[in-house]
Amino acid sequence: DGGITQSPKYLFRKEGQNVTLSCEQNLNHDAMYWYRQDPGQGLRLIYYSQIVNDFQKGDIAEGYSVSREKKESFPLTVTSAQKNPTAFYLCASSIIPPSFYGYTFGSGTRLTVV
Amino acid sequence: AQSVTQLGSHVSVSEGALVLLRCNYSSSVPPYLFWYVQYPNQGLQLLLKYTSAATLVKGINGFEAEFKKSETSFHLTKPSAHMSDAAEYFCAVTSIYQAGTALIFGKGTTLSVSS
Repeated sequence: DGGITQSPKYLFRKEGQNVTLSCEQNLNHDAMYWYRQDPGQGLRLIYYSQIVNDFQKGDIAEGYSVSREKKESFPLTVTSAQKNPTAFYLCASSIIPPSFYGYTFGSGTRLTVV
Repeated sequence: AQSVTQLGSHVSVSEGALVLLRCNYSSSVPPYLFWYVQYPNQGLQLLLKYTSAATLVKGINGFEAEFKKSETSFHLTKPSAHMSDAAEYFCAVTSIYQAGTALIFGKGTTLSVSS
């Protein structure tokens, strides 16, 4: 079955470490997105990509980096510059534009700083 | 610019009661609107969508929503709540006139259902 796979489901990071969250899709979608979810704040866009080797910053890109070397993959790195990285991270994908079908979401990665 | 406002961060109903979750949008171009549901520690699942074909939209699990342009609203309803409806619900907006623009989500409404 087609879908989006996020791994790991739970991730623990020490202060000062970079960590990378994986997102893979086999839906043949052109666009991929990363959102951060905090209680009471909804979903906030970190980065999105509409084509391989190209991506755009969202509303809260500081302290994060991404790459899009393959259509199927859109990994997110949480760098040590992100001051408060503990959150639930969601990856999504869509056709372009997303207006008619919306997004397909992965099951999320919960990142905790220890 | 587009935005959505979900009125009420928490809604509580009894099992069998009407569910009403409110969403108002702001958009200078014709909007496309979505409702998603999220169960704890899971991703979001599409409930229903408005794409200008019909103003009353039916979705999964007995939910429906009505697009009212005059009120800039897209409220989600279900005639009779079930315990399994307890979850967080998100309204989102985008527009076909803004190709490639990401969906904009509201802050979410948590629905609690008591027996």
